[in-house]
This record gives sequence, C-alpha cells and structure tokens, in this order.
Amino acid sequence: QVQLVESGGGLVKPGGSLRLSCTASGFTFSDYYMSWIRQAPGKGLDWVSSITTSGSTIYHADSVKGRFTISRDNAKHSLFLQMNSLRAEDTAVYYCARGGYSHFDKWGQGTLVTVSS
Amino acid sequence: QSALTQPASVSGSPGQSITISCTGTSTDVGGYNFVSWYQQHPGTAPKLMIYDVSNRPSGVSNRFSGSKSGNTASLTISGLQAGDEADYYCTSKTSSSLYVFGTGTKVTVL
Repeated sequence: QVQLVESGGGLVKPGGSLRLSCTASGFTFSDYYMSWIRQAPGKGLDWVSSITTSGSTIYHADSVKGRFTISRDNAKHSLFLQMNSLRAEDTAVYYCARGGYSHFDKWGQGTLVTVSS
Repeated sequence: QSALTQPASVSGSPGQSITISCTGTSTDVGGYNFVSWYQQHPGTAPKLMIYDVSNRPSGVSNRFSGSKSGNTASLTISGLQAGDEADYYCTSKTSSSLYVFGTGTKVTVL
C-alpha cells in the first residue's frame, strides 16, 4: 500500500534552517508529482510547494518563495523541503502529499515544525 | 492569492443531505476543472474525497458528490452519518500560484 513518511521536523529559532524529508513506498515514485502542504496549529491547509516527476520544474507559494526549496531523489524514493530563514508564521505540521498536477491523493501523517526563540 | 471562501460550519441530522460551498474567482475555481475536496478528522491527515470537480476516488462512498457552477464549487454529503463529522477543505488550481485551499468547513452531525 502507498506510504509516505515525513521526518526532519523539530524546534528551530527564527532565522534558522531545517530540511524535511519524505520517504515514499508502495508506488512508482518517479511517476508522480509530489507536494508539501502545511497546517498551522488550529488553522486550515496551506499549499507550500510542488515538483514535477523529473524534478525539472518546481512551484512555490509566494509566502515561501526565496526561502524554501523543494527537491526530490527518484532513485531513493524521497522528497525534500529545504527551509531557510524560518519565521514564527512557518510553524505548522508539514504534510508530504502525492500529486500536484490536479489533486493530492495520498498524504503522510505530517511532521511538526516549530519556529520559536 | 486569497483563500477560497467556505462556510465556517454546516450541520445536519443523520440521514439528511448537506452541501458545502467553495467560492473563488475566474482565475481559480471558475477557470479550471481542478477542484478537489478533502476530509480531515481531528489529529489525522486529510483524505481525498473528490477530485476534478466531481470524480470520486476508489473507496470513497457514493454519498459524497461534487459539482461546480461558475466560480463556486460544491460538495454534497447525502445520508449523513456520524463518521462524516470532520473538517472539509476544497482546493483549486489557480493562475497565480499553483494551488489555493479553501478556508475550511466544520461539519457537525446533530
């Protein structure tokens, strides 16, 4: 069955960096767009980034453009999110999701990122 | 890019039908047939319920249906059940950023 497992979350100070990973199994990873979606505590869903199958094209929300970078390693069935210059408002559960062309059909359980001094 | 507008809450009795609206603009909901709906129970990851406006993934009950008219998409839940009590989010592709989510709707089964 399809599994997406996120890791790399934690507590980081404002201005700091963090790299999230998502390990996929149960499907042909290289056949799918992949995405990151976040949810601040008690708030709604917020699309962050998406990447095409080969990784040749990436998309970022305006709120993270220039600070976050999505990437993937198809050989290792892995998706990444490099987060720099973190702000308090980036505090959220970050979900890895399969898809990004028209919808997100499978989601991981999420990893919590807390930005606080 | 502003979030799509959903009612904060919708409620209904068991067996009834309810409809959740998702209002955007011609640059998102009205411009693409890439509207999808997600169900989220507390403390869990979202689950895809409807994609491409009206398509149901395998395994999702046919009590869930989607539609779109102009800049507004809708999710209808018929034969409401206790397990349908959850938060529901719409999302649409957009011409400005890639995706925008709705504000979310809490469904309560009375």
